[in-house]
Amino acid sequence: QVHLVQSGAEVKKPGASVKVSCKASGYTFTRYLIHWVRQAPGQGLEWMGWINTGNGETKYSQRLQGRLTITSDTSASTANVEVSGLRSEDTAVFYCMIHSSSSPFDHWGQGTQVTVSS
Amino acid sequence: QSVLTQPPSASGTPGRRVTISCSGSTSNIGFNYVNWYQQLPGTAPKLLIYRNDQRPSGVPDRFSGSKSGTSASLAISGLRSEDEADYYCAAWDESVSGRVFGGGTKVTVL
Repeated sequence: QVHLVQSGAEVKKPGASVKVSCKASGYTFTRYLIHWVRQAPGQGLEWMGWINTGNGETKYSQRLQGRLTITSDTSASTANVEVSGLRSEDTAVFYCMIHSSSSPFDHWGQGTQVTVSS
Repeated sequence: QSVLTQPPSASGTPGRRVTISCSGSTSNIGFNYVNWYQQLPGTAPKLLIYRNDQRPSGVPDRFSGSKSGTSASLAISGLRSEDEADYYCAAWDESVSGRVFGGGTKVTVL
């Protein structure tokens, strides 16, 4: 079965960077885009960006453009998201997810808490 | 400010029907499939509806989805206490080449 296992919680100071990883198993890694989605405390879901694990193409939300980098390592079946210039409002749970728009194939990582605090 | 618009809350008594709306535009709902997710506190979202009105196996038929033009809706019939959760709509958006979500609707069973 499909598993997306994310790295552990992070606490960072304002201005620092954070990198969260997502290790995939149970499917062909290069077949689906990997999306990153975050959820601030008490708030809704916010799409951050995606990576095409087949060719490395990326797309980022306009809101995070310039501070966001998504990478993948096909040999390790792992995708990573890095956010730089952290602010308190970046405090959120980060999720990686994969899906097919026309089928019930839809899987999420367990979530990684990122806390930005001085 | 979410791209897709949902009411922040909805409620009903056990056994009743609750409907949640999701309003978008031609670049997202009007052109692409809508998914609905249920999120319980402290957990990742769970797929409830895909391709506008299809239920994954294991999702009770009390949950149903529909879409018309640039809007979609999720209906929960025979409301149960375990349906208390946050519900999100999602769709691909052509203008951002990415996924967009609704702001979420908190369903309360009175």
